[in-house]
Amino acid sequence: SAVISQKPSRDICQRGTSLTIQCQVDSQVTMMFWYRQQPGQSLTLIATANQGSEATYESGFVIDKFPISRPNLTFSTLTVSNMSPEDSSIYLCSVLGTGDDEQYFGPGTRLTVT
Amino acid sequence: QQPVQSPQAVILREGEDAVINCSSSKALYSVHWYRQKHGEAPVFLMILLKGGEQKGHEKISASFNEKKQQSSLYLTASQLSYSGTYFCGTEQNAGGTSYGKLTFGQGTILTVHP
Repeated sequence: SAVISQKPSRDICQRGTSLTIQCQVDSQVTMMFWYRQQPGQSLTLIATANQGSEATYESGFVIDKFPISRPNLTFSTLTVSNMSPEDSSIYLCSVLGTGDDEQYFGPGTRLTVT
Repeated sequence: QQPVQSPQAVILREGEDAVINCSSSKALYSVHWYRQKHGEAPVFLMILLKGGEQKGHEKISASFNEKKQQSSLYLTASQLSYSGTYFCGTEQNAGGTSYGKLTFGQGTILTVHP
């Protein structure tokens, strides 16, 4: 399975600011995704990070709030913009394993907005 | 469409067995099972793709029914390390724009006591 790292691992941010989260994979992967996990809740897919094109967002998530970049097959960023306390969550990137349908998660970024 | 997991919580003594169910109202392409410990990322357990499939090993195994609408995770002779929240993630359609997009159940909290 791929080794996935995320930066930062946690952050405390003020309302109205933005935070960019990085996801790095140790091998090239075709599919990368971003999920959100609100406190005590399940995981919700935010978007698919497409290499070389705009991300594909799920219902309820928009590019202005969660801009995503994917410049190559091993790296992606998610920005949480104009944050409010409701954005306090764990943000996780995931990747599909090469040649199969197994999906692996990064360690997550725990974001607290005050 | 979010799958329904049951039960919501299970409390076991070491050595006891548990079954966690994941149901969908529509046929699925795949079911993924994860275990998440507090403060950590979800850890991939297994994926089921075929109707009637059973896989895993003697301690942790899973099944996918013929209609591909229900999956069960079997935890046998539980150990303290099995404690955590178990999530099923379902993929609705094969390939296309839905490929790799998982919808997660609400989770089942499993607690194993000595």
